[in-house]
Amino acid sequence: NAGVIQTPRHKVTGKGQEATLWCEPISGHSAVFWYRQTIVQGLEFLTYFRNQAPIDDSGMPKERFSAQMPNQSHSTLKIQSTQPQDSAVYLCASRTGDNYAEQFFGPGTRLTVL
Amino acid sequence: QQQVRQSPQSLTVWEGETAILNCSYEDSTFNYFPWYQQFPGEGPALLISISSVSDKKEDGRFTIFFNKREKKLSLHITDSQPGDSATYFCAASQGKLIFGQGTKLSIKP
Repeated sequence: NAGVIQTPRHKVTGKGQEATLWCEPISGHSAVFWYRQTIVQGLEFLTYFRNQAPIDDSGMPKERFSAQMPNQSHSTLKIQSTQPQDSAVYLCASRTGDNYAEQFFGPGTRLTVL
Repeated sequence: QQQVRQSPQSLTVWEGETAILNCSYEDSTFNYFPWYQQFPGEGPALLISISSVSDKKEDGRFTIFFNKREKKLSLHITDSQPGDSATYFCAASQGKLIFGQGTKLSIKP
């Protein structure tokens, strides 16, 4: 079991460019989560899929951020027109369908917007 | 509004001592509280968790004490080891996780 896989591990973009982050959840896990981690804001929930359907995107900035889960083996987080304040570590996590099951986190993608 | 709060922000204890990390929450509907441990460059990993029907949960050197009436929890790490040096996050689960700001723990050998 390789755990949750996130690619790339590091990404540097220029202001105004687009960034796409990839997540491969653990096989058999039906719930996939995206979080963002910064020194100032800490760990913030962004969005959540269950069985590939979007369930809760209450943490997503309404503009420029979007997430998809086209199949059970991967999810993407896309940030359009990146801004310096988008610089953060973006973490993907997955778990089984049980709400009390452990969420397993990937190593994160460190996004730096210059 | 911060729904989950942690204190202290940072804590240093000597090897062998007990480290006590505190957590409080606002929403009385929260009923499951996992604690995550994070090392630099890695994602958080579940350390121990407790349901609101319990007042104590032990796993080796790690114990959670839970006070539902006061909406407070604490994580006790006994016989602290240098390898315990990490950041610890208290969270409340509503399907998604709502994290506190974390406590950075350093163990002095």
